[in-house]
Amino acid sequence: QSALTQPRSVSGSPGQSVTISCTGTSSDVGGYNYVSWYQQHPGKAPKLMIYDVNKRPSGVPDRFSGSKSGNTASLTISGLQAEDEADYYCCSYAGSYTLLFGGGTKLTVL
Amino acid sequence: QVQLVQSGAEVKKPGASVKVSCKASGYTFTSHYMHWVRQAPGQGLEWMGIINFDAGTTSYAQKLQGRVTMTRDTSTSTVYMELSSLRSEDTAVYFCARGYGPGNPRTFDIWGQGTMVTVSS
Repeated sequence: QSALTQPRSVSGSPGQSVTISCTGTSSDVGGYNYVSWYQQHPGKAPKLMIYDVNKRPSGVPDRFSGSKSGNTASLTISGLQAEDEADYYCCSYAGSYTLLFGGGTKLTVL
Repeated sequence: QVQLVQSGAEVKKPGASVKVSCKASGYTFTSHYMHWVRQAPGQGLEWMGIINFDAGTTSYAQKLQGRVTMTRDTSTSTVYMELSSLRSEDTAVYFCARGYGPGNPRTFDIWGQGTMVTVSS
């Protein structure tokens, strides 16, 4: 299984919106509504931001939203803030109790 | 509070094995799946496998099949990940991560602090 495809980097200014894509196949992203997104700051463990494509865990700001169309899932961050600067990873269920991560996207807040 | 506490850093020679532990506390241990995820220096996250605490059943990433073994000890609420035939490419931080919600194998919420495993001759 190959990793899901994410852009290496995205950037935006404070207050703007950015979208990070995550492309897989019909065997993972396209086959299940079980895509999650994780935020990771340097030297820290990842943090769950979105699960089941578009659900937010308690405590995650509603500036973070998720969606999916076909084999591509997306994470949108609106009203960018300096603390949003981090690496973001998508993860999809791929059947038979297996999961697959994307390669990660570095978000820079200009 | 809910937390996962992992064992300390390890340095191993190529060809050796390493066993990392992850002790859970603050929740009903047998209700949640546990995953292992690793991250090589400067690289992305890689899912390694999952264990069902209740039944002890496992599922592993295809590329690690035959080298990785995940076990659990319900009496101490601890899961273990053993990786054998270590090579330099296995140098990474290894995380345990709890399945989000009872019976959910598809998402992780609580993560351990990470264990650095260095493979070097």
